Amino acid sequence: QQQVKQSPQSLIVQKGGISIINCAYENTAFDYFPWYQQFPGKGPALLIAIRPDVSEKKEGRFTISFNKSAKQFSLHIMDSQPGDSATYFCAATPTGNQFYFGTGTSLTVIP
Amino acid sequence: DTGVSQDPRHKITKRGQNVTFRCDPISEHNRLYWYRQTLGQGPEFLTYFQNEAQLEKSRLLSDRFSAERPKGSFSTLEIQRTEQGDSAMYLCASSSLTSGAQETQYFGPGTRLLVL
Repeated sequence: QQQVKQSPQSLIVQKGGISIINCAYENTAFDYFPWYQQFPGKGPALLIAIRPDVSEKKEGRFTISFNKSAKQFSLHIMDSQPGDSATYFCAATPTGNQFYFGTGTSLTVIP
Repeated sequence: DTGVSQDPRHKITKRGQNVTFRCDPISEHNRLYWYRQTLGQGPEFLTYFQNEAQLEKSRLLSDRFSAERPKGSFSTLEIQRTEQGDSAMYLCASSSLTSGAQETQYFGPGTRLLVL
């Protein structure tokens, strides 16, 4: 059973556009929600993370929106650039336990 | 480079052979995780250590898989009698879990295994 459901599977965005990736979870014990970026042949790298006591966190062009009641969170990439083309994974964990990852979104930013 | 390192980066083996992978975590990190990632999927948890103690193992970790972290530093993951279904990227991550702090896992580059 997939603990974290991620959509879409793939996304194509024009340069300068907004990329939006969504994730949903069921386990209310989850209290930490990171997003990872992965380039081909590399391990995932932490991009941004949020805890459920805030509804939004922004770091540069990357923003996480969190809806605790709906058990959903999303990643927004503003002013998307070709260098953002990668696979993005959401994850969730109850603190101090294993991380559960989504199935990934392959983002392509067209110049 | 003080990040997580893994060795080897690539391994090709024949079905039935044993393979061993090594992970060197970030030096001050007390937690070490092993994940498996197949094409088009997210990392799947296999097992983790806190210092030298193995605290949890996934049901994905069959008895052909064994992991060790003998001195609470580097870790090894061994797969015995490899099968073609073991072909995947094996990722190691480390973190420092301290009371009241939020754990962040840092991943290594992975070891890509191909079983022929």
